[in-house]
Amino acid sequence: QQPVQSPQAVILREGEDAVINCSSSKALYSVHWYRQKHGEAPVFLMILLKGGEQKGHEKISASFNEKKQQSSLYLTASQLSYSGTYFCGTELTTDSWGKLQFGAGTQVVVTP
Amino acid sequence: DARVTQTPRDKVTEMGQEVTMRCQPILGHNTVFWYRQTMMQGLELLAYFRNRAPLDDSGMPKDRFSAEMPDATLATLKIQPSEPRDSAVYFCASGSLVTDTQYFGPGTRLTVL
Repeated sequence: QQPVQSPQAVILREGEDAVINCSSSKALYSVHWYRQKHGEAPVFLMILLKGGEQKGHEKISASFNEKKQQSSLYLTASQLSYSGTYFCGTELTTDSWGKLQFGAGTQVVVTP
Repeated sequence: DARVTQTPRDKVTEMGQEVTMRCQPILGHNTVFWYRQTMMQGLELLAYFRNRAPLDDSGMPKDRFSAEMPDATLATLKIQPSEPRDSAVYFCASGSLVTDTQYFGPGTRLTVL
């Protein structure tokens, strides 16, 4: 079951904040976040494991709410380089390590 | 800087032709994934291998697609015969339990006319 990402797209001015959500109808073991720029491969940002931990990568951080089976990615003080499509990939169990279901993506455009 | 490599980067072919895509995973990674990305379907997992053994190919059309890993440094994805609906970007990714995630190659952009 593919996770649901929202919003589908967001336009920001440099310095503004945004939140991207990734929701699953099934219990999750982990959530992986990737960013893909046009014409390039997805690049790994961070992984969140079951347990509700929060992680950060520069001014991009994420959380995992186990009760809601939802992860949120926070873009803080956005930079032009943050533009791209953000995907969440969800993993259901440790037995299926690496078998990720990706969301449809959230397109982020950061303008000067 | 270790990277996943894929060849060819671009492939244009005619319907009915055989297409072979190759992937060299990052040295030391024991899990290799094949994905297909289209505007309509997004990123779909086609198949993946661990220690060269196929673990799951349920995402792959069985009648025309095949994936193999002849050795630890090479994974292949073959389409025979190719159809226009196979046009997409095919990504290979590799990872391991140590890395805890997967790293994508640059992709092969396939166009079937």
